[in-house]
Amino acid sequence: EAQVTQNPRYLITVTGKKLTVTCSQNMNHEYMSWYRQDPGLGLRQIYYSMNVEVTDKGDVPEGYKVSRKEKRNFPLILESPSPNQTSLYFCASMLTLSHTEAFFGQGTRLTVV
Amino acid sequence: DAKTTQPTSMDCAEGRAANLPCNHSTISGNEYVYWYRQIHSQGPQYIIHGLKNNETNEMASLIITEDRKSSTLILPHATLRDTAVYYCIVRVALAGGTSYGKLTFGQGTILTVHP
Repeated sequence: EAQVTQNPRYLITVTGKKLTVTCSQNMNHEYMSWYRQDPGLGLRQIYYSMNVEVTDKGDVPEGYKVSRKEKRNFPLILESPSPNQTSLYFCASMLTLSHTEAFFGQGTRLTVV
Repeated sequence: DAKTTQPTSMDCAEGRAANLPCNHSTISGNEYVYWYRQIHSQGPQYIIHGLKNNETNEMASLIITEDRKSSTLILPHATLRDTAVYYCIVRVALAGGTSYGKLTFGQGTILTVHP
C-alpha cells in the first residue's frame, strides 16, 4: 500500500533533549516536505527536499534540521526542542514537483515541556 | 501563490450535495486549483484539482468559473464521514520558481454533515 509513515505518532519530551521524527515513503517520490500545524495558523512548511541531498528551508525552519540521504527517508531533527515547538507535525511527499497529489503521513503530535 | 478565501464553516444534510465555494480572484494563468481535506487531525488528503475545465473523480466534482476567479467543490452525496476541514489551494504545478512545491493551506472550511 502506498503510504507515508511517520514515527512516533505521539511524543512528550523535555526542553533541550534532542529528538528525531522519522518519515518514510514507499512510492519512490522525489519531493518530500515537513509541515507543522498549530491552531489558528494552519499548516506551515518547515523544510522541503526536491531529491536526495537537496533540501531547503520553508516558511518556519528555525529550530529544525532535516536530511535526505536516501530517497525514501526524510527525518526531522530538533536539536534542542523548546516549548514553542509543541505542535502537530506532518510529513508529505509528491512524485515530482510537477505532479499534483501530495501524500501526507498520519501526523506526529509533539509536546515539549 | 494566489490567496484563497473560503467560508469558515458550512452544514450539509446527509445524502444531499455539499457545495463548497472558494474565491481565488488573484489566480495566475499557470496556477492550478487544488482541494484537500483533513479529517480530525489526520494528514490532509488530496481530493481533486483543475486548471480551467470542470473536473470529476470518484470523490468529487470541481467547477471552475470561466474567469477562474472562483471555484466550487461538490460532494454529490455527502455522508457523515465527509465531515472535515476542506482546503482550497492554488499553486503552480510546473517546475520553476521557489514556491511551486509548497502547499499553502489557509484556514479552510469546516464542513459538518448531519443526519
